Amino acid sequence: GAVVSQHPSRVICKSGTSVKIECRSLDFQATTMFWYRQFPKQSLMLMATSNEGSKATYEQGVEKDKFLINHASLTLSTLTVTSAHPEDSSFYICSARAPRLVEETQYFGPGTRLLVL
Amino acid sequence: AQTVTQSQPEMSVQEAETVTLSCTYDTSENNYYLFWYKQPPSRQMILVIRQEAYKQQNATENRFSVNFQKAAKSFSLKISDSQLGDTAMYFCAFIPWGAQKLVFGQGTRLTINP
Repeated sequence: GAVVSQHPSRVICKSGTSVKIECRSLDFQATTMFWYRQFPKQSLMLMATSNEGSKATYEQGVEKDKFLINHASLTLSTLTVTSAHPEDSSFYICSARAPRLVEETQYFGPGTRLLVL
Repeated sequence: AQTVTQSQPEMSVQEAETVTLSCTYDTSENNYYLFWYKQPPSRQMILVIRQEAYKQQNATENRFSVNFQKAAKSFSLKISDSQLGDTAMYFCAFIPWGAQKLVFGQGTRLTINP
């Protein structure tokens, strides 16, 4: 149980285009989903927290107009990188929390590698 | 501010050996959870083990066990009979009760050599 999927696993796009990444909890309802960014050989950096049906809470320094997060249902959250630029190239990871499964435990998706040319 | 420190950026051991990864954290909270996550080359984050701070008994999961020292704010991970598949980045993480955000350490890159 507690499987989280992400799609796509890898995406290459041109500078200026928008890219949408989906995060799904496959076998549980996720009250809260999280989006992280990870640079090579570094730890995870939290970008935003999203609760189903409400606006996402962004971490300091993360542009909410650039990284649009939608958590429309208890099993789906999306991250849209708008007008992507090469500096947005990174590894993006989502996670989901299901208090009814195991308290305070986050389950992670496999990540999405974004390359902006 | 709550912080998690992993003082060993890299470690390397031979297959079948036992290895211990260190983690210390700083918090004024009394109730919290601690985790070790593994990130292999595939980059999928995998939960290895979880510990509730109110439990004195150290958590174990097969070859993985922790040494939780609450007073010292220490939470080390011991891997017994290490296997090649244990090669990964290991992250220690902390979250207070009722909080949403995980606080991660910097990670320890563990290599198991044949």
